[in-house]
Amino acid sequence: DAGVTQSPTHLIKTRGQQVTLRCSPKSGHDTVSWYQQALGQGPQFIFQYYEEEERQRGNFPDRFSGHQFPNYSSELNVNALLLGDSALYLCASSSLGGGAFFGQGTRLTVV
Amino acid sequence: DAKTTQPPSMDCAEGRAANLPCNHSTISGNEYVYWYRQIHSQGPQYIIHGLKNNETNEMASLIITEDRKSSTLILPHATLRDTAVYYCIVSPHYGGSQGNLIFGKGTKLSVKP
Repeated sequence: DAGVTQSPTHLIKTRGQQVTLRCSPKSGHDTVSWYQQALGQGPQFIFQYYEEEERQRGNFPDRFSGHQFPNYSSELNVNALLLGDSALYLCASSSLGGGAFFGQGTRLTVV
Repeated sequence: DAKTTQPPSMDCAEGRAANLPCNHSTISGNEYVYWYRQIHSQGPQYIIHGLKNNETNEMASLIITEDRKSSTLILPHATLRDTAVYYCIVSPHYGGSQGNLIFGKGTKLSVKP
């Protein structure tokens, strides 16, 4: 079992560009959540997907959007990138009654 | 804001038990207590969770007070690899699955030889 896998591991983008990050959940997990972790801070919840629908959303602007596919994998899209979007983006998957398993994250740098 | 309070740092001698406290005095009846840890530059790692009963797994034990206002995570025999930031989080379940996690500042546990 590969656990939660995220791609790419590192990414450099220019202000104003758009980015798509990808996540494959742990086998047997049907719920995917995304978090943003700035340097020196704890992770902040962006949103959660279940059955291909956004079930919960944190305090992030509409520039942050997502999608879940029928195989439970997920994408996080960020439009009009700002320098402040530079962070580690974490994907976590979970299933009924269990804890969330996190991937190693995608390190996004906006220049 | 996080609904938990943890000491910012703790030290533990290698081979001894590490007891990490957490206060969650405003916990609601449907909220679970979760513990995660994060080793530098890695994604958080799930440790254990519970609702009101004490729980034990291969990594740790979770002791929840009867009034559920506080809990303690116990690592029975700490090793150097247990050095990490430990987060205590209270979160409800949505549809039976874990809801959003609100991370506070956690406790930086340093295990020393």
